[in-house]
Amino acid sequence: QKEVEQNSGPLSVPEGAIASLNCTYSDRGSQSFFWYRQYSGKSPELIMFIYSNGDKEDGRFTAQLNKASQYVSLLIRDSQPSDSATYLCAVNRAYGQNFVFGPGTRLSVLP
Amino acid sequence: DAGITQSPRYKITETGRQVTLMCHQTWSHSYMFWYRQDLGHGLRLIYYSAAADITDKGEVPDGYVVSRSKTENFPLTLESATRSQTSVYFCASTPATPGNTIYFGEGSWLTVV
Repeated sequence: QKEVEQNSGPLSVPEGAIASLNCTYSDRGSQSFFWYRQYSGKSPELIMFIYSNGDKEDGRFTAQLNKASQYVSLLIRDSQPSDSATYLCAVNRAYGQNFVFGPGTRLSVLP
Repeated sequence: DAGITQSPRYKITETGRQVTLMCHQTWSHSYMFWYRQDLGHGLRLIYYSAAADITDKGEVPDGYVVSRSKTENFPLTLESATRSQTSVYFCASTPATPGNTIYFGEGSWLTVV
């Protein structure tokens, strides 16, 4: 079992719809959870981070964390074509600064 | 605010040659990392460093060497490049404070022919 898993996609949604991206992790001691967006040919850039169970909203983005289920998700409301990218889930373990990345989910927002 | 800069951004080299990818950060972050990213594998950690003169292996260290004599620099050397090392290499850094995010450089595209 990989430490951080994501559906590879591609996930296609129409413009204006809600895109839902999911991530599961295996290390129960994980403390910090991050979502990065990566455009083709570019480096990953941080969208959101979440530390506590529940929801965290930032503009059109909502991160959801359920530590009991070892599950973190990212919702993108009112999806735009400019949201088309690969979304990487990252988990920071409880010890040290050891980030583990999922393989990413490719999102395509259709005009 | 320069952040993290990588050089060269693009490099073509021949099998067997030594190649060094440079990474420089201006934030004085304690931790620095080298990742490679390949289709189907995502980001894989090559080496990381918790501070100057402290380095440790990641998931895929074979064929690579790192050093960190100064906090701001973390070069990655391919001692004898192989075609399987054709990849995009990302340098990254983060402060020592738990919970902080990781920041990436722009990447170095390396092709080994």
